[in-house]
Amino acid sequence: AQSVTQLDSHVSVSEGTPVLLRCNYSSSYSPSLFWYVQHPNKGLQLLLKYTSAATLVKGINGFEAEFKKSETSFHLTKPSAHMSDAAEYFCVVSGGYGGATNKLIFGTGTLLAVQP
Amino acid sequence: GAVVSQHPSRVICKSGTSVKIECRSLDFQATTMFWYRQFPKKSLMLMATSNEGSKATYEQGVEKDKFLINHASLTLSTLTVTSAHPEDSSFYICSATDRKNTEAFFGQGTRLTVV
Repeated sequence: AQSVTQLDSHVSVSEGTPVLLRCNYSSSYSPSLFWYVQHPNKGLQLLLKYTSAATLVKGINGFEAEFKKSETSFHLTKPSAHMSDAAEYFCVVSGGYGGATNKLIFGTGTLLAVQP
Repeated sequence: GAVVSQHPSRVICKSGTSVKIECRSLDFQATTMFWYRQFPKKSLMLMATSNEGSKATYEQGVEKDKFLINHASLTLSTLTVTSAHPEDSSFYICSATDRKNTEAFFGQGTRLTVV
C-alpha cells in the first residue's frame, strides 16, 4: 500500500528565505509523487510531479522537489519565499501503477506561513 | 493545463434537503472523476471514484445512498448529498483525469453548509 507522511503540520519562514517542506513516502513499487498547493477556500493546483524520469523535478512558481529513493523522501523546496506562497501544501502519492493517477493518496498537509 | 469547473462554489441548505454539486471537464474528456471531502484543517479524503457510464466505486465508510454519484457523460459528474445534516457540512472537491491518466485536474471546490 502507498502512503505519504508530511513531517511538519506548520512551517513559518520569513519572506526571501528558503522554504523546505518535508515529505516521506511508502510504496511497494516505483511511485508517482506530486505536490499540490491549496489557497484558502480554493481548489488544488499542481506544483510539480515525479513520474520516474529525472529525480530533480522543477515546478511552477520556483518550487522544486528531489526524489530520493534511498531516503524515501520527496521534499519540496524554494530558494526564496514570497508572501503569495502562504498556503497549504499537500504531498501526494499515486495509488496506481507507473504514472497512472487512479487513486491519489494525500498527506495531512503543511501550512506554510510567510512573515514579512 | 486542463480545466475542471465545479459548481456551486458555496451552498447553504436546510437540514433534510438534498444538494447537488456538479463537476465538469471543460476542455477534455474525463474518463474518471474523483470526489473528495476535506474537513477543516484536515487532508482530503477520497469518497468515491466514478467512471463514465458505470457505477461509482465508494471508499470504505462512505454511504453510497447518502452520497449519490452520477457520471452520465465524459464531461460531467454530479455528487448529490441526500437528506443533508449539519455533520455533512464540509468542503467537497472533485478531480478528473483524461484518457492518458497521468495527471488529475481539480475543481475549485464546493463549501457546503447545512443549517
